[in-house]
Amino acid sequence: AAGVIQSPRHLIKEKRETATLKCYPIPRHDTVYWYQQGPGQDPQFLISFYEKMQSDKGSIPDRFSAQQFSDYHSELNMSSLELGDSALYFCASSFDGSGPYNEQFFGPGTRLTVL
Amino acid sequence: DQQVKQNSPSLSVQEGRISILNCDYTNSMFDYFLWYKKYPAEGPTFLISISSIKDKNEDGRFTVFLNKSAKHLSLHIVPSQPGDSAVYFCAAKGRNAGGTSYGKLTFGQGTILTVHP
Repeated sequence: AAGVIQSPRHLIKEKRETATLKCYPIPRHDTVYWYQQGPGQDPQFLISFYEKMQSDKGSIPDRFSAQQFSDYHSELNMSSLELGDSALYFCASSFDGSGPYNEQFFGPGTRLTVL
Repeated sequence: DQQVKQNSPSLSVQEGRISILNCDYTNSMFDYFLWYKKYPAEGPTFLISISSIKDKNEDGRFTVFLNKSAKHLSLHIVPSQPGDSAVYFCAAKGRNAGGTSYGKLTFGQGTILTVHP
């Protein structure tokens, strides 16, 4: 079965650079979530999109922005990178069109390292 | 503040025995709970969920129990197998103060389960 695809899997950037992470949800899923997991921490919700509109916002820095495109894939754009942005970034997708209580399926994550 | 807490960072059990992973939550707006399993270098994998209108949900070797009054849930794995060794995350979702958002997951810190042959 098709799963959530994230690219790239690994990314190394310098401080103050920009990064773009991509997420391709499971076909027919209409909702995408982004989570950030720091070293030894639990995943923290950043932002979500339902049917290409932002549906919720968590602890996402103003330096970050995201969008969901017409084909339902999503991109997380990160600017002015800081050392503290080094983390594992997960994308998850779900089909919420029939209601909110559906499980989220996670991608393998993108490991971002900021030097 | 940690709204979902897994107070045991690790658990070690013998193959064939029962594994019990515990989770506590503080936010009374949570009404749907999920357990995820995570292997290194992979994303969390959904295991089992339970709605707040139930107190038990069973799926094969996995059973989740919910005690709403105590704001406590637990995951039972029986019998435990070496392949169950992974990090287990408890997660919850519900409506926010404005009553509008229920999609995002709030995770616990995770419990590392090791099942010895």
